[in-house]
Amino acid sequence: KNQVEQSPQSLIILEGKNCTLQCNYTVSPFSNLRWYKQDTGRGPVSLTIMTFSENTKSNGRYTATLDADTKQSSLHITASQLSDSASYICVVSAGGNAGNMLTFGGGTRLMVKP
Amino acid sequence: EPEVTQTPSHQVTQMGQEVILRCVPISNHLYFYWYRQILGQKVEFLVSFYNNEISEKSEIFDDQFSVERPDGSNFTLKIRSTKLEDSAMYFCASSYRVGPYEQYFGPGTRLTVT
Repeated sequence: KNQVEQSPQSLIILEGKNCTLQCNYTVSPFSNLRWYKQDTGRGPVSLTIMTFSENTKSNGRYTATLDADTKQSSLHITASQLSDSASYICVVSAGGNAGNMLTFGGGTRLMVKP
Repeated sequence: EPEVTQTPSHQVTQMGQEVILRCVPISNHLYFYWYRQILGQKVEFLVSFYNNEISEKSEIFDDQFSVERPDGSNFTLKIRSTKLEDSAMYFCASSYRVGPYEQYFGPGTRLTVT
């Protein structure tokens, strides 16, 4: 069964600090891995999408890495801002005939404090 | 910037009733999706739709559910004979292509079954 696990479940950091969120997945066949930001009560918003051949991708202060061999990904947030407080969700897309189906992790709830 | 819209934002219904959740995907997108998120749990894939037919569906998407694109703009999710456990946030999403392409999520409809 395809699964995506994230750690930590929650994280509190001070404004201006950096943090790294982790994701492990067992999805086969692998197509791509996405990181989404979800504010409470809102729909997820895409941050990055990486395919098998990509090791790293940045979007402003967000940098995602992917190790397809170990099936791990991380999302690094630099110089955190109060507006970064949200859930960050790792999502993996299976390839082949299930190319549309996304498997979601449980998310890391990040709180940035002043 | 184009966005996915959903109506209503909140729907309250009695157990056993039928509900229709509505979505207007981004106008030039060809692939449409429904997801649900039970409070405090992961986002779960329900169904994807392309070329006026279902392309994939999850185990959750049983005979109680149906989707339709009644005209050129709307995409609907019908839930027949609602149960208490159908209470969740339902997200619609759309994308232009499948694979490593962004899925844009709507703001969600919160369904409460009493």
